[in-house]
Amino acid sequence: AQTVTQSQPEMSVQEAETVTLSCTYDTSENNYYLFWYKQPPSRQMILVIRQEAYKQQNATENRFSVNFQKAAKSFSLKISDSQLGDTAMYFCAFLNQAGTALIFGKGTTLSVSS
Amino acid sequence: AAGVIQSPRHLIKEKRETATLKCYPIPRHDTVYWYQQGPGQDPQFLISFYEKMQSDKGSIPDRFSAQQFSDYHSELNMSSLELGDSALYFCASSLYTGLNTDTQYFGPGTRLTVL
Repeated sequence: AQTVTQSQPEMSVQEAETVTLSCTYDTSENNYYLFWYKQPPSRQMILVIRQEAYKQQNATENRFSVNFQKAAKSFSLKISDSQLGDTAMYFCAFLNQAGTALIFGKGTTLSVSS
Repeated sequence: AAGVIQSPRHLIKEKRETATLKCYPIPRHDTVYWYQQGPGQDPQFLISFYEKMQSDKGSIPDRFSAQQFSDYHSELNMSSLELGDSALYFCASSLYTGLNTDTQYFGPGTRLTVL
């Protein structure tokens, strides 16, 4: 069974700084997908970024980028130039190639302060 | 762009009552997923449907049932409600491409409170 681990329950950062959220996973599959979702206080689940395991290039979306290390089964999220609106719970999620159930980590609460 | 619509947004029920949650996927999306998120927890997968057929099943209690209709909307029916069913219920939708798994986009959730 696949598992997703987020070892940082809480993190804090100042505005304009850079922060990295960690995520490791375990799977025996070779083809799969990894995601970061953001859940602000409104509780809406918002897609931040997606990475296909067969792609060596790390995904980037504006201020958000990932460091995907397939051999190490690591998938960290880097947020550059942090903004107050980035304050949220961040979930790392795994999806197998069959593409049904997302498996989430326990989440990391990120607080951005001015 | 149109998003996933869930109704109602908030629902309060008594123990042993029934509840029906509705989900309207993004237009053209043919796959629907249901997740349950308890307080302070990560979302847990309940069930999914593709083209009106159940495609996967997770930790969904026998008291719950769901279906997907011809217009692709889905309903989650919950009976004999228990206090522990109080949670945020998310619906997500995606478009099956046949080659690659597409991203799941989440609705705003239905907050169910069981008293």
